Amino acid sequence: GQNIDQPTEMTATEGAIVQINCTYQTSGFNGLFWYQQHAGEAPTFLSYNVLDGLEEKGRFSSFLSRSKGYSYLLLKELQMKDSASYLCAAFSGGYNKLIFGAGTRLAVHP
Amino acid sequence: GAGVSQSPRYKVTKRGQDVALRCDPISGHVSLYWYRQALGQGPEFLTYFNYEAQQDKSGLPNDRFSAERPEGSISTLTIQRTEQRDSAMYRCASSPEEGTEAFFGQGTRLTVV
Repeated sequence: GQNIDQPTEMTATEGAIVQINCTYQTSGFNGLFWYQQHAGEAPTFLSYNVLDGLEEKGRFSSFLSRSKGYSYLLLKELQMKDSASYLCAAFSGGYNKLIFGAGTRLAVHP
Repeated sequence: GAGVSQSPRYKVTKRGQDVALRCDPISGHVSLYWYRQALGQGPEFLTYFNYEAQQDKSGLPNDRFSAERPEGSISTLTIQRTEQRDSAMYRCASSPEEGTEAFFGQGTRLTVV
């Protein structure tokens, strides 16, 4: 089967660090993506991990453990504009089917 | 074009009518996906094309839904005999090659009344 799980909602304080977790079960795993989606807008690409370890890109980092079927997105120095949904996505069964989790709605408070 | 373009942006149709949703991917992009997204949910996979070949259509809900990409560029998602439950945001995404990040269009908001 195929399944991607992530928490529904999280809250954090401006300037803090937040970690959004994602667990997945897919056949033929070929990498994991993180997308950001602001309300009423299209999802935009943040990061892609295919090998185990941490990928850092400015304030955002993403981690992957293939053996555990686990990833997280780390957001540092949170800003109000980071309030959005964060979507975890993985290929299933080759490259034909990119499936998404339900998303984690992050609210950043002053 | 500069990004993935979808038309129309909004479509209101009466129950029982057919609708065609258009997606114009980023020029040169090989892969094209169609998704449906309900409010507060992640995109739900519908179908995938590699060039003109429909490689996976396992996400199409039933036989009223079909998609084509005849020349490997523009794609059309057609819903026949629309029902109220078909009301949703329909999103198209394209990627430069298989296995790379997908770029999303702004979507078509379909309302069936």
